[in-house]
Amino acid sequence: EVQLVPSGAEVKKPGATVKISCKVSGSTFTDYYMHWVLQAPGKGLEWMGLVDPEDGETLCAETFQGRVSITADTSTDTAYMELSSLRSEDTAVYYCAMGTRHAADYWGQGTLVTVSS
Amino acid sequence: SYELTQPPSVSVSPGQSARITCSGDALPRQFTSWYQQKPGQAPVLVMHKDSERPSGIPERFSGSTSGTTVTLTISGVQAEDEADYYCQSADSSGSWVFGGGTKLTVL
Repeated sequence: EVQLVPSGAEVKKPGATVKISCKVSGSTFTDYYMHWVLQAPGKGLEWMGLVDPEDGETLCAETFQGRVSITADTSTDTAYMELSSLRSEDTAVYYCAMGTRHAADYWGQGTLVTVSS
Repeated sequence: SYELTQPPSVSVSPGQSARITCSGDALPRQFTSWYQQKPGQAPVLVMHKDSERPSGIPERFSGSTSGTTVTLTISGVQAEDEADYYCQSADSSGSWVFGGGTKLTVL
């Protein structure tokens, strides 16, 4: 069974940086892309970017370019998303989702990040 | 920036068909996927490559395309299908875009 296990909830102050992780089990980590998707409270889904664990290639949404770093560690089958210069509007649930360039077949349960002074 | 447009809400009675549309200029050139999300849960992929149903997804879910509009159809809607549905595609750079989501209400 494929499982994506996210790291725990985070509370950060404005201007800080958060780094969350997503550990994969039950699947070959390098066979899929890892996407990161956020969902602000009561809002829809928003794609942040992806990483190809096989070669480290990344693609990030224009909205987050310069603020987001998405990486993959093949020694631990874990993907990471780091978001800097946090503001209150970044308060959201952040999902890791594994799949192809076209679709995300497997989703983690999400990590709540709260940005508050 | 590229946008996908969905109706905010669709309501149907049990046993009827629900059709949820997603419109976007690049849809004829890019695959579309659909996700179902129930309250407090992560999204679930219910359709990919426009009309391919992942294993485990009931046959009552189907997908179709016509020009710049992609449609998710749920035939014989059941109470358990009540959820938010999101379409997802990509722009010319490969960056993903989600539609705004459609709340399906089963009356």
